[in-house]
Amino acid sequence: IAGITQAPTSQILAAGRRMTLRCTQDMRHNAMYWYRQDLGLGLRLIHYSNTAGTTGKGEVPDGYSVSRANTDDFPLTLASAVPSQTSVYFCASSREAGRYNEQFFGPGTRLTVL
Amino acid sequence: GDSVTQMEGPVTLSEEAFLTINCTYTATGYPSLFWYVQYPGEGLQLLLKATKADDKGSNKGFEATYRKETTSFHLEKGSVQVSDSAVYFCALSPLEAGGTSYGKLTFGQGTILTVHP
Repeated sequence: IAGITQAPTSQILAAGRRMTLRCTQDMRHNAMYWYRQDLGLGLRLIHYSNTAGTTGKGEVPDGYSVSRANTDDFPLTLASAVPSQTSVYFCASSREAGRYNEQFFGPGTRLTVL
Repeated sequence: GDSVTQMEGPVTLSEEAFLTINCTYTATGYPSLFWYVQYPGEGLQLLLKATKADDKGSNKGFEATYRKETTSFHLEKGSVQVSDSAVYFCALSPLEAGGTSYGKLTFGQGTILTVHP
């Protein structure tokens, strides 16, 4: 079934550790996005990529980095995790970057930083 | 900057009741507006959208009309079902400087809907 997969499903991480959240889509979408979801705040954009080889910063990029080496994969890395990065992380994709295009979301990764 | 404000939740209704979830936005130009729904334990999925003023988006009995004069995009359903219990997010995608758009979504805080039989 076509869609977006994220791994891991959940993770408990010690503060200061490095962590990479994986995201893969098989819809050949050009644009991909990372959001974090926090209670009472909705979803906030961390980083985005309009096409393979390009990335951009969203609303809350500090402490996170991304890469887009190919169309399908868009990993999110926390270089040195802090407790404030405890959240649910969603990866999303759309056929093209643009305000008319529907975004498709993965099932999320629940991350707890202690 | 751009922002989306949803009505305070949670909302609890009986089956077959009328639903309204208010959403207002602040943005320059003409953003596209969306309602996304998140069922328990799942990611978000698009419920409906509208891309210009006076457009009405509709899906699964839900409707919302893009009102530029009141900067609103309220979600309505005439008769809710238990299966509609979920979290509903209003979102906008702006038209950015220079007329470009990168499809970045700005979300409201979400409204939890619980429907009882």
